[in-house]
Amino acid sequence: GAVVSQHPSWVICKSGTSVKIECRSLDFQATTMFWYRQFPKQSLMLMATSNEGSKATYEQGVEKDKFLINHASLTLSTLTVTSAHPEDSSFYICSASGGRAGWAYNEQFFGPGTRLTVL
Amino acid sequence: QKEVEQNSGPLSVPEGAIASLNCTYSDRGSQSFFWYRQYSGKSPELIMSIYSNGDKEDGRFTAQLNKASQYVSLLIRDSQPSDSATYLCAVNKVYGGSQGNLIFGKGTKLSVKP
Repeated sequence: GAVVSQHPSWVICKSGTSVKIECRSLDFQATTMFWYRQFPKQSLMLMATSNEGSKATYEQGVEKDKFLINHASLTLSTLTVTSAHPEDSSFYICSASGGRAGWAYNEQFFGPGTRLTVL
Repeated sequence: QKEVEQNSGPLSVPEGAIASLNCTYSDRGSQSFFWYRQYSGKSPELIMSIYSNGDKEDGRFTAQLNKASQYVSLLIRDSQPSDSATYLCAVNKVYGGSQGNLIFGKGTKLSVKP
């Protein structure tokens, strides 16, 4: 159990285009989903937190108009990188947390990540 | 003071030895503590969670929590080369809103030599 998928696993795009990344919880309902970014040899950086049906809460310094997050259902959240530039190239990872019986509050299960390269 | 601190390593142990990974945290009100393993180029994988003082064992892994000292550790017995990875300590955020969020340490890189 506790499986989270992400699609696509990697994407290469041209500068100025938009890229959408999907995150799905496959065997549980995720009340909260999180989006992280990780640059090579650096630690995880939380970008935003989203609850189903609510607007995402962005961390300081993360542009909400550039990184659009939608959490339309308890099993799906999307991150759209708008007008991507080479500096947006990174490893984007989602995680999900939520209410299966026996799970402690705060446990997060990570998707496999999406490697974005912007040319 | 950093919120969650870990020794960055690398920590190198021989195969079969016990690897000891340490983590300290600053928020005294934290209630949930986690260890994640992250292989190079992969996403983190939850391996242990602990919520009360003492030890919690799961296979070759033992998590230890001491809230008074604000210290959490992970012991890996009979270390294997496949355990070579970066281990992330995570603690739930208590102050400043978003209490569901986790604060991650920067990770300790473990290398198990055959």
